[in-house]
Order: sequence, then structure tokens, then C-alpha cells
Amino acid sequence: QKEVEQNSGPLSVPEGAIASLNCTYSDRGSQSFFWYRQYSGKSPELIMFIYSNGDKEDGRFTAQLNKASQYVSLLIRDSQPSDSATYLCAVPPSGTYKYIFGTGTRLKVLA
Amino acid sequence: NAGVTQTPKFQVLKTGQSMTLQCAQDMNHNSMYWYRQDPGMGLRLIYYSASEGTTDKGEVPNGYNVSRLNKREFSLRLESAAPSQTSVYFCASSELPQETQYFGPGTRLLVL
Repeated sequence: QKEVEQNSGPLSVPEGAIASLNCTYSDRGSQSFFWYRQYSGKSPELIMFIYSNGDKEDGRFTAQLNKASQYVSLLIRDSQPSDSATYLCAVPPSGTYKYIFGTGTRLKVLA
Repeated sequence: NAGVTQTPKFQVLKTGQSMTLQCAQDMNHNSMYWYRQDPGMGLRLIYYSASEGTTDKGEVPNGYNVSRLNKREFSLRLESAAPSQTSVYFCASSELPQETQYFGPGTRLLVL
């Protein structure tokens, strides 16, 4: 059974700080990695995806991928109260047509 | 351009009743998915359709059936609802398998 694991949190950070969210996965063959944000009572929405080792930046968000260690992380710089949500990591196992989602990390940004 | 739409938004059923959840996308995507989300369990895949004309089981298919009616529509049927099927159901679509998935607003189902 392929697995994707996240710390459920809550992770509390003060406004303006960097929030660091981590995700580990079990399938060494996975090629693509996704981060979704889900506000309470709403549906997941894509923040970023990453395919290659290293960092990918998009505004205040940076995704980091380390395939050798099988983890992917999401950094949120200058965190805002509006970033308070659950962040879901999704990893399609190799040779499949589907995602495996982690259970999500709940982030609280304190004003 | 509505994206992914789901109906109904909320439904209450009695044990043993049947119902169909509807999903439609207007993005010309090939792949469609049904998930359920329960507290502490994350999103779990029920069924998916990699392309029009194909459907496959996901992680938790028992008690459900699906129909890929055409490229736009993918429905989920509960033949005999059970309290364990109380959940929030999300439909999603992607242009191709393993690409970005776009989610509908969800259906909250309560089975008494």
C-alpha cells in the first residue's frame, strides 16, 4: 500500500513568520507532487506542483522536493491569517492513474 | 465556465435508501474522480475514470457504483445507503491522469 504521510498539526505560527509543512511518501517511483489548500467547509484547491528535485517558488510559496529522502515540503513566507487552512499533500504512485492524499496539516496563523 | 459542478449540495437519507450524486465538468478533461472525506481520514478515492468509457476502483469502492455517462459527466450511486457512508463527497477532474485535479464544491451526505 503506497503511503503519503503528513503531521496533522495544528501548526501555529505568528503572522509574518515562515510556515513549513512537510510530507513524506513511500513510492520511490513517484514523479509528480502536489500541494492543495483546503479552507474549512470548502473544496481543495491547488497551490503548487513540483516534478524536479530542488525548489520551486511561486509568490510567497516555495515547494521543495528531495526524491532521495522521499519528502516534499511547502514553505509559506510572510504568513497571513488568511493562510489558515488545511494543507494536503498528494502524490500519484508510479504506474497508476490516481493520487494518494495525505491526511493534511492544519495551519493556524496567529494575528 | 463553471469548472466542476456537483448536485446536490446536501442530502439526508435513511438507511437502505438509494441515491445518485451527479458531477459535471466543462473543462474538456479526460479524467474524473470521486472521493470521500471523513474527519482524520483525509481524501480517499472511491472510483475514477481515466478516460471516457473506462472506470476503475479506488481505495474504498464497496457500496458504490459509478457511471461515466459521457466526457463531461461522472455519477456516483449508492444502492443501499448505510450510516458508514455519511461523509463529504468530492468530484474532481484532470486533463490527463496524474495531472492537476480540479475539485467540485462537494456534497454533504448524512445517512440516518
